[in-house]
Amino acid sequence: DAKTTQPNSMESNEEEPVHLPCNHSTISGTDYIHWYRQLPSQGPEYVIHGLTSNVNNRMASLAIAEDRKSSTLILHRATLRDAAVYYCILRDYIRNDMRFGAGTRLTVKP
Amino acid sequence: DGGITQSPKYLFRKEGQNVTLSCEQNLNHDAMYWYRQDPGQGLRLIYYSQIVNDFQKGDIAEGYSVSREKKESFPLTVTSAQKNPTAFYLCASQSSYGAYEQYFGPGTRLTVT
Repeated sequence: DAKTTQPNSMESNEEEPVHLPCNHSTISGTDYIHWYRQLPSQGPEYVIHGLTSNVNNRMASLAIAEDRKSSTLILHRATLRDAAVYYCILRDYIRNDMRFGAGTRLTVKP
Repeated sequence: DGGITQSPKYLFRKEGQNVTLSCEQNLNHDAMYWYRQDPGQGLRLIYYSQIVNDFQKGDIAEGYSVSREKKESFPLTVTSAQKNPTAFYLCASQSSYGAYEQYFGPGTRLTVT
């Protein structure tokens, strides 16, 4: 299975942009890049996903490298409610399963 | 409101007892999933089901069993064979087969002593 590598933790100041990196050098052509986040004692929440092109939605932006070996989740203005563990996941659309790593714990300072 | 419900939120059992965790969804989703999460760790896939009356083992299926008799329901039984059952259990669903977004329930925290 293709794996992802993320920093264990990151810090940000409130109302500043946050760039969360993810490396996935063994990504295959059928893998989508998904991002989820999890607040303490809650289920994960979908953030965004993409295949090759950059993607934007109301929560975040996803920038995907041209060779697809890395991606970056961008929160444009961090709020205290964005403090969570962020997971970068590769999903094979044929196998239909999802495997989580340890994720990045984002701390937002007021 | 559409969503996924898991009950109960907290569950306590004695060692050696089987326990069944409930997961219900009213999103009309075909696929449903069970994950286990240990403190400070990511989620690990236990079982998943793409359609009614069909399910597949995930990475850590030993000591667990599931059924999928109705589209809306995917209960998980933690059997006495599971050596370390204390964990946070999460159920999820997605609309159909493929790399679509998954919707998660609030989780059940199981403690076995």
